[in-house]
Amino acid sequence: GQNIDQPTEMTATEGAIVQINCTYQTSGFNGLFWYQQHAGEAPTFLSYNVLDGLEEKGRFSSFLSRSKGYSYLLLKELQMKDSASYLCAVVDSNYQLIWGAGTKLIIKP
Amino acid sequence: NAGVTQTPKFRILKIGQSMTLQCTQDMNHNYMYWYRQDPGMGLKLIYYSVGAGITDKGEVPNGYNVSRSTTEDFPLRLELAAPSQTSVYFCASSLSGEGTEAFFGQGTRLTVV
Repeated sequence: GQNIDQPTEMTATEGAIVQINCTYQTSGFNGLFWYQQHAGEAPTFLSYNVLDGLEEKGRFSSFLSRSKGYSYLLLKELQMKDSASYLCAVVDSNYQLIWGAGTKLIIKP
Repeated sequence: NAGVTQTPKFRILKIGQSMTLQCTQDMNHNYMYWYRQDPGMGLKLIYYSVGAGITDKGEVPNGYNVSRSTTEDFPLRLELAAPSQTSVYFCASSLSGEGTEAFFGQGTRLTVV
């Protein structure tokens, strides 16, 4: 079967750095997305990786290793507004999106 | 630019009732999707469409129907509502398939009692 694993919940301190991991086992791979979802709101796009390596976008970076079936989202200089769920989603060989259950990130002052 | 607009935001249905969730996008996207999101679970694809007049089943289509008469609109119909359909529903669109960034509507929180 197809599986996306993410930690259920993480806690971090304002101003710090946090890394949210995502491991996947899917039938093929055609890219990996990270979305942010604030409570009661719609998911919004953060990043897309299709090749190995690190993609940096401001305070957020996303890393991919296809050989390890692994990605992480790195958030720097955490702000209270970063409290949200972070969803990992993989595009499989049929170009279908497989979604993880999401990681709820709690930021403490 | 409105993006993806979903209505209603909240709805309570009685078992056996029917309703239509409306979804409209103004980005001229070919692809549109309906997902449901249950607590502690990933988004599950209900139906999708790759263009006007074309729809296909996703992972969890039972109990739902869709139509796509125009590029802009993609309504989701629930027939004979059941408690298992209590969920948050999201409509989304993308320019060219699930390998591209999706834009989501604000969601509909549906409770079936």
